[in-house]
Amino acid sequence: EVQLVESGGGLIQPGGSLRLSCAASGFTVSSTYMYWVRQAPGKGLEWVSVIYSGGSTYYADSVKGRFTISRDNSKNTLYLQMNSLRAEDTAVYYCARADFDYWGQGTLVTVSS
Amino acid sequence: QAGLTQPPSVSRGLRQTATLTCTGDSNNVGNQGAAWLQQHQGHPPKLLSYRNNNRPSGISEKLSASRSGNTASLTITGLQPEDEADYYCSAWDSSLSAWVFGGGTKLTVL
Repeated sequence: EVQLVESGGGLIQPGGSLRLSCAASGFTVSSTYMYWVRQAPGKGLEWVSVIYSGGSTYYADSVKGRFTISRDNSKNTLYLQMNSLRAEDTAVYYCARADFDYWGQGTLVTVSS
Repeated sequence: QAGLTQPPSVSRGLRQTATLTCTGDSNNVGNQGAAWLQQHQGHPPKLLSYRNNNRPSGISEKLSASRSGNTASLTITGLQPEDEADYYCSAWDSSLSAWVFGGGTKLTVL
């Protein structure tokens, strides 16, 4: 059974850093492509980043240069390193598998002083 | 990054049919189609249709997706209260090298 479990969210001050994790089971993260998608409170879905099986990565303009997507094949886990966090990064962060066919439950990141 | 265009809200009666639209351009919807997602309040999104208009396993046949030019559509027949949710479309934009989402359509079943 495919399962995605995010962790690492929390309350962080502006300018701070957080690393989100997405532990996958039931498939191999490195064999497919994986996304991070976020949803600000009361707002719609916003694509954040994608990592393809070959290792290519892409980012939304709103996070480019601040966020880094990566994966650990040995742990079958996807990561999102978030630096220089801003209030507007406050959202529930979801990881999702290729073509959005499976999603995690999400982890809430709140950027506030 | 520009997103896809969806009507903010659609209302239909019980057992009626609703067609939701998602408009992009030749770099996204018109190129590789759009996926459709459903989200109920407080829950993660759920895939309803792949970009090629095929339904994932377990998705009801009362949902069907199609595309005409740069506009993707999701048709839901026999509306039930549980169909009331937010619906999003998404596509890869080859000119932006980015995935884009529509703003979402809130479907109300009267």
